[in-house]
Parts: sequence; C-alpha cells; structure tokens
Amino acid sequence: LAKTTQPISMDSYEGQEVNITCSHNNIATNDYITWYQQFPSQGPRFIIQGYKTKVTNEVASLFIPADRKSSTLSLPRVSLSDTAVYYCLVFNPGGYNKLIFGAGTRLAVHP
Amino acid sequence: EPEVTQTPSHQVTQMGQEVILRCVPISNHLYFYWYRQILGQKVEFLVSFYNNEISEKSEIFDDQFSVERPDGSNFTLKIRSTKLEDSAMYFCASSEAGLAGAYQETQYFGPGTRLLVL
Repeated sequence: LAKTTQPISMDSYEGQEVNITCSHNNIATNDYITWYQQFPSQGPRFIIQGYKTKVTNEVASLFIPADRKSSTLSLPRVSLSDTAVYYCLVFNPGGYNKLIFGAGTRLAVHP
Repeated sequence: EPEVTQTPSHQVTQMGQEVILRCVPISNHLYFYWYRQILGQKVEFLVSFYNNEISEKSEIFDDQFSVERPDGSNFTLKIRSTKLEDSAMYFCASSEAGLAGAYQETQYFGPGTRLLVL
C-alpha cells in the first residue's frame, strides 16, 4: 500500500476555502484515493473518493493531477463544524480491503 | 440514512475479564470490519469478515480476540482476557459487496465503543 504524507495541522477561518494536499508518491496503477473525516470521539466518515482528475460531491472536491502522486481535498467555505481530522488513504479496489489510516490533518476552523 | 450502530457506548472492565463489543452493520452490507483507536493515536485495522469467516487480520488481532456473526444482524468482537493496553475506542464498519477490480466500496463506521481496562 502506498504511503501517504499530509500536513499535521492546518488553521482556517469561517467562510474560507481550505485545501489539504496529500502526497502518495508510490501510488500503484490500480490504487484509488479516498478521504475520511473524523470528529473527536466519533468514527471516521467517508468524504470523497477518486482515481484521477476531479471529483466533486455536495461536501468537497478532490483534485488529482495526471501523475497521481498527490491529491488535494478542497472544502469550500468552511464553518466551525468542519473542525476535524482529515485522513487521506490509498487503497487497492476489491471487496474487503482494510483501510490504513495515517495521522491525518487536524483542521481547526476559527470564527 | 442507514447507519452502523454499536453497543455499549462505554465499557469499563477489570484486567483479565472478557468483554464483548456489539455492532449492527447496515442491513444490506456483506463486509464487516473492526478497527481500534488508542487515545491520541491512529485508527488501526483489526480484522475484516466476509461470508462468515475472517478475510484478513492484523498483528494486533491475536488469540485473545475473536469475531462472530451470531445471527443475521449482529457482528461482535470478543476480547477474552483484557489487558490494560486494550483500552481504546473500538469502531465497527461495514461495506456493501465490492465490485472486484472496480472501486473500493465505502466503509461506514459506527460511533464506537470506548473500552477502559482497569
């Protein structure tokens, strides 16, 4: 499984766009990229997943360049409730793959 | 929206005691998982379960741990003789049947059971 590297922490203010970049230099051809969010004392929650280019859902956008060695999670107009830890994970597709979590990025949104 | 549920939310036990953590996965899901998170540390994979058998387990999941799907809805994690270092938040997760070679089915996590071993 490809190792991921992301910033330990980030700070932002309400209403700003937040971009969290993750590097995964050893990503394999069949690997996908997924992002999870975790609030204190809660289980991780799926945010978005992609293979290449751009993916957008109602919560976030995921940008993946052509070489796929990095990805950027973009959260538009964050609010205080977006304060959480964000995990970037790389995995092989299949029926029952384990998720390997790193330390994640601790995002603090300030008023 | 369907969700994974876990009971109890908190469990305090004495070292050496057996504990059973319970999970009800989302009803049409076929793949089940247990993860744990020691306070302030990463979420760690313990075990995956499909078709009534363990698919994969980590080094953490030693002989003291076992999993079971006793009926059509529950999925349990048993720790036979708890140690102090078993104190952690335990998360159950489930996912639908995967399309092999296509994409990772999203894993949905429960709220967790906080286990404290004294």
